[in-house]
Amino acid sequence: NAGVTQTPKFQVLKTGQSMTLQCAQDMNHEYMSWYRQDPGMGLRLIHYSVGAGITDQGEVPNGYNVSRSTTEDFPLRLLSAAPSQTSVYFCASSYRDAYEQYFGPGTRLTVT
Amino acid sequence: QKEVEQDPGPLSVPEGAIVSLNCTYSNSAFQYFMWYRQYSRKGPELLMYTYSSGNKEDGRFTAQVDKSSKYISLFIRDSQPSDSATYLCAMSPNTGNQFYFGTGTSLTVIP
Repeated sequence: NAGVTQTPKFQVLKTGQSMTLQCAQDMNHEYMSWYRQDPGMGLRLIHYSVGAGITDQGEVPNGYNVSRSTTEDFPLRLLSAAPSQTSVYFCASSYRDAYEQYFGPGTRLTVT
Repeated sequence: QKEVEQDPGPLSVPEGAIVSLNCTYSNSAFQYFMWYRQYSRKGPELLMYTYSSGNKEDGRFTAQVDKSSKYISLFIRDSQPSDSATYLCAMSPNTGNQFYFGTGTSLTVIP
């Protein structure tokens, strides 16, 4: 099993550009989520999904879109990148009624 | 006020010391309490899990939950340089629900 994979590992964007962060898992987990991690702020939930076709907002959803067309994939779209979105982004997955989340290796995004 | 508060440290201890890491929270609905360990430039990994109040021990690690005080702790005995990492507490009212994380405490164990 590859677990949770994320691409790209690093990305530099200019203000106003859009991009998609990819996340995939091969554990047949129903629950998937996106977090951002900033110094002094910890992990903050952006969006999450409890199954294909179902998504919901977390604590900091503004400026991000998600969709879940398959169980395996949960891409995160930045619509118009802003410097405030400079962060490390983690994707996580788990079984729906489980407490343990499995995290990907992260994507380091810099917006200039 | 944040749902979960955690002292960011950094914390530096000599090898063999006992380490105490703590979090406080405000939401009395939280029932599931977790500790994650995150090495530099890696994703967090689950270290310990506790449901409701009480203690749980796993090798050198002990997790404690005091729901009456809204306070959780992680103790590391005989700390090793390989324990150097950031430790994040996390909690949730239910499984399959949103998880709330602390900011993480950076720990360095000096040989």
